[in-house]
Amino acid sequence: DAGITQSPRHKVTETGTPVTLRCHQTENHRYMYWYRQDPGHGLRLIHYSYGVKDTDKGEVSDGYSVSRSKTEDFLLTLESATSSQTSVYFCAISDQGQGITDTQYFGPGTRLTVL
Amino acid sequence: AQKVTQAQTEISVVEKEDVTLDCVYETRDTTYYLFWYKQPPSGELVFLIRRNSFDEQNEISGRYSWNFQKSTSSFNFTITASQVVDSAVYFCALSEAFVNNAGNMLTFGGGTRLMVKP
Repeated sequence: DAGITQSPRHKVTETGTPVTLRCHQTENHRYMYWYRQDPGHGLRLIHYSYGVKDTDKGEVSDGYSVSRSKTEDFLLTLESATSSQTSVYFCAISDQGQGITDTQYFGPGTRLTVL
Repeated sequence: AQKVTQAQTEISVVEKEDVTLDCVYETRDTTYYLFWYKQPPSGELVFLIRRNSFDEQNEISGRYSWNFQKSTSSFNFTITASQVVDSAVYFCALSEAFVNNAGNMLTFGGGTRLMVKP
């Protein structure tokens, strides 16, 4: 199993509060991703990182920011949580070369509830 | 834009039946990759298979087999002699080969929930 952990695993918060989710990997992989999973939508990409301090937006990035100050950590922040951000959040990692792709391996997920 | 459709939202079978999960994709790229992931009731996502667009050979792994047909843009997954432990949500996903640093963004289908009854 890929060495990926997410914290916290469960969180309940109130609308308007800031929330930070952490993804930690021990594989030294270059690429890290944040997805959210909602019924009927599968998983959708929020943001991804292709190296330390290098990040870019995904399909559903509004209301989210990310940071990556070390290879092993990728943080997802909800600046002011809203009920529409209630979801299960998955982190993934991969290691790719130019022009090819590699498999993404997923962390255990974080269930976030915004009341 | 790429798109993945899993038209079957739920399938229920009795143990030992064969079952096929459908996946249809859309992409403009000639080089792309297809994946299947399994999400058991415990919630984690388990990688099952990756296939690139230049390899149309079907693959078999134990009771699992995959049928990739570029002519119909489909990548179907068959479980032979299903077991209760196969009960899970199965996701098909697509990524295009990337250039520069863009990373390979996965586009997921909505998933198919498979229930195998004893």
